[in-house]
Order: sequence, then structure tokens, then C-alpha cells
Amino acid sequence: AQSVAQPEDQVNVAEGNPLTVKCTYSVSGNPYLFWYVQYPNRGLQFLLKYITGDNLVKGSYGFEAEFNKSQTSFHLKKPSALVSDSALYFCAVRQSTSGTYKYIFGTGTRLKVLA
Amino acid sequence: GAVVSQHPSRVICKSGTSVKIECRSLDFQATTMFWYRQFPKKSLMLMATSNEGSKATYEQGVEKDKFLINHASLTLSTLTVTSAHPEDSSFYICSAAGQGVGEQYFGPGTRLTVT
Repeated sequence: AQSVAQPEDQVNVAEGNPLTVKCTYSVSGNPYLFWYVQYPNRGLQFLLKYITGDNLVKGSYGFEAEFNKSQTSFHLKKPSALVSDSALYFCAVRQSTSGTYKYIFGTGTRLKVLA
Repeated sequence: GAVVSQHPSRVICKSGTSVKIECRSLDFQATTMFWYRQFPKKSLMLMATSNEGSKATYEQGVEKDKFLINHASLTLSTLTVTSAHPEDSSFYICSAAGQGVGEQYFGPGTRLTVT
């Protein structure tokens, strides 16, 4: 079965500093990986995805993620954090079974950007 | 990205009553819709996957007779919580996905409180 792990419950970073939110995956075959962000009492918003191609994927709001096959990681990054980036971030992998599919989410990482 | 709406955004009901939550994809045809439940400060728990015109596929441990899911059209899925109890109080989020290997688009969520 496919799975993703987010080892950090919370990440604190100062505004203007680079940020990294970690995600590792366990899949059989080629992984389809996603990052989503959730603001308080809201649904999730899509940030970026890796399906195939370049290992560095650029997404919304200046975020990017690097697919690393040897380390089975898909860490989310941003060169310069904003206070408004403070939110809950989820990594997800798409799992396909017998012609159907679903998404498996990590446990989430709360990002706090301090002014 | 695509727009998915949920209605109602908040609902308070008495124990023993039933509540219906609607999920609509407003600008694309959703071949697959997902229903999630999110506990405070916790990750998303996938409850079921529904494909238009067919029965929903429930995750292990989710009572299909209690959480009735209908996906009657390519733009509408409903979740009915039957005979609600206080432990059913939660944040319910739907998402919609089209064909192909793409991201899913989330609704804004419904906060259910059972008194």
C-alpha cells in the first residue's frame, strides 16, 4: 500500500527565512505526489504535484517541491517565508487499485512563520 | 483551480436526527468524489470514494448505513449522516476529481455539531 509520512508536527520559521516541510513516501511503482495547504476552518487548497518529468516542481504562492527518488522524499520548500504562509500543510500520494484510485494523506505539518 | 462548494458550511442538529451535506463541482465534471472527516488538529480520514452512477466504496471502519453517500450526477454528491450522535460531530470535507492523473479539488468543509 502507498503511504506518506510527515515527520514534523510543527515547523517554526522566521519571516524572510527559507522554509522546508518534509514528506517521505512509500509506494510501489511510480509515485503521484501532491501538496495541499489548509487555512483555519477551510478546505484544502492544491499547491503542487509531481507526476513525471522534472524533479523540481513549482507551485502556487512561490512554493516548490523536489522529488528525490533515492531518498523517497518530496519536501516542500519556499525561499522566503511570509507570515501569511502560516497554515497546515499536507502531503498526499495517489493510490490506484483495480481501476479505482484514492489519495492517502500524511498527518499534516503546522507551519508557523514568526514576524 | 476548479471550484467545489459545500452546503451547509455549519449545521447543528439534535441527537437522533439526520443531516444531509451537499458537495457540488461548479465548473467541471467530477467523475470521482471523495468524502473526508477531519478531527481537531488531525489529518484527513477518507470515509468513502464515490463514482458517478455507482455505489460508494467505503473505507474500513466506516459504517455505510450510517453515512449514506449518493453521487447522482457528475456535479453533485451528498453525504447523509443518519441518526446522528454527538461523536459524529466533526469537520466533513468533500473533494472532486476529474479523469486522468490530476489533483483533487476540495470543498470548504462542513462543521457538524450534534447536541
